[in-house]
Amino acid sequence: DAKTTQPPSMDCAEGRAANLPCNHSTISGNEYVYWYRQIHSQGPQYIIHGLKNNETNEMASLIITEDRKSSTLILPHATLRDTAVYYCIVRDDDMRFGAGTRLTVKP
Amino acid sequence: DAMVIQNPRYQVTQFGKPVTLSCSQTLNHNVMYWYQQKSSQAPKLLFHYYDKDFNNEADTPDNFQSRRPNTSFCFLDIRSPGLGDAAMYLCATSSEGDSRGTDTQYFGPGTRLTVL
Repeated sequence: DAKTTQPPSMDCAEGRAANLPCNHSTISGNEYVYWYRQIHSQGPQYIIHGLKNNETNEMASLIITEDRKSSTLILPHATLRDTAVYYCIVRDDDMRFGAGTRLTVKP
Repeated sequence: DAMVIQNPRYQVTQFGKPVTLSCSQTLNHNVMYWYQQKSSQAPKLLFHYYDKDFNNEADTPDNFQSRRPNTSFCFLDIRSPGLGDAAMYLCATSSEGDSRGTDTQYFGPGTRLTVL
């Protein structure tokens, strides 16, 4: 079973930052938080992952709370092509997808 | 570019007629995964190969089998497809060392299976 809780859907205006929350209150000390997204009819795409520290790459930033019970994925300047389902996944050995958040970026 | 390739992208089979889906990778990754994704649902792990070692998920039906003849190729065999097996089948790969849970998985585009 997925160890994460995400809102089922969110909207964001094009050009604005999209902040996608994820709760993982039962996360254990050595489990990483991964984010993937899936654009319609494509395979999931890796975005970013982290353990304790905040992380940033060319796609997004990941903010993990100090107690590690929640995190936020930030897309700094959302575009229409960022419309997708975003999955927050807490990894033990295998990757188990939850329901994800359907992000719709609107013009 | 290195990638994960799935063929065909769309597959139609008849109820009960065996079907094989294929996945190949140019990433030289040692782990290959098969996921099933039904309409409007999240991907669900069926099984994976860690090198040549096969690891089945506990709730994967016996109707689903897999073969990995070499590092680059992995096949998903559905022995007797039912209507409930219609889904997108996703292949993924990762390069995994000693630390499970820290590898990034790279997904192919998927094969959409229709069962008539």
